[in-house]
Amino acid sequence: KAGVTQTPRYLIKTRGQQVTLSCSPISGHRSVSWYQQTPGQGLQFLFEYFSETQRNKGNFPGRFSGRQFSNSRSEMNVSTLELGDSALYLCASSRNRDRAGELFFGEGSRLTVL
Amino acid sequence: KQEVTQIPAALSVPEGENLVLNCSFTDSAIYNLQWFRQDPGKGLTSLLLIQSSQREQTSGRLNASLDKSSGRSTLYIAASQPGDSATYLCAVRPQSTDKLIFGTGTRLQVFP
Repeated sequence: KAGVTQTPRYLIKTRGQQVTLSCSPISGHRSVSWYQQTPGQGLQFLFEYFSETQRNKGNFPGRFSGRQFSNSRSEMNVSTLELGDSALYLCASSRNRDRAGELFFGEGSRLTVL
Repeated sequence: KQEVTQIPAALSVPEGENLVLNCSFTDSAIYNLQWFRQDPGKGLTSLLLIQSSQREQTSGRLNASLDKSSGRSTLYIAASQPGDSATYLCAVRPQSTDKLIFGTGTRLQVFP
């Protein structure tokens, strides 16, 4: 059974550009959540999607957005990139929007902003 | 506001030792607590999930306990091996916000 797949794994952008990251959840999983990991702030929750609807959102500026498609795949977008957006972006999936459900993470997309 | 703390921040032990990693959280109203390991530059691997109604979970050499009243969880690793070297993270899902909150992690090194 394939795990959570994130693409691309690595990417380099310059300030002011925008980036789109993709996440394919485990087959049968309908909930997808995104996290940002930096050395200074650790792991922080970005947003959660279930059945194509954003169900929860972290404390990030509006430059960070996302969406979920009918096949449960999700994308997140960061516009007008800043140096501080350099981070490992992790996606996790769970079977339902069960608050007690176990989360499974992908390998992440490492974004470097120059 | 829920805060999650992990002690120690780093740990270096010889192979074969039994280890205890600690996770503390300030708000006991949680849905569950999950332990993960992260290898350098990699994603998170789920180790154990403890529901709020449970006291402990076991998987192989790993045992995690949960004491909601004191806001603590411990991850016990028996007979540590060099392959256990990684960063261990705990995360709680508070009932107030339903947003997963991660601890700062414990970096473990097990040397032969």
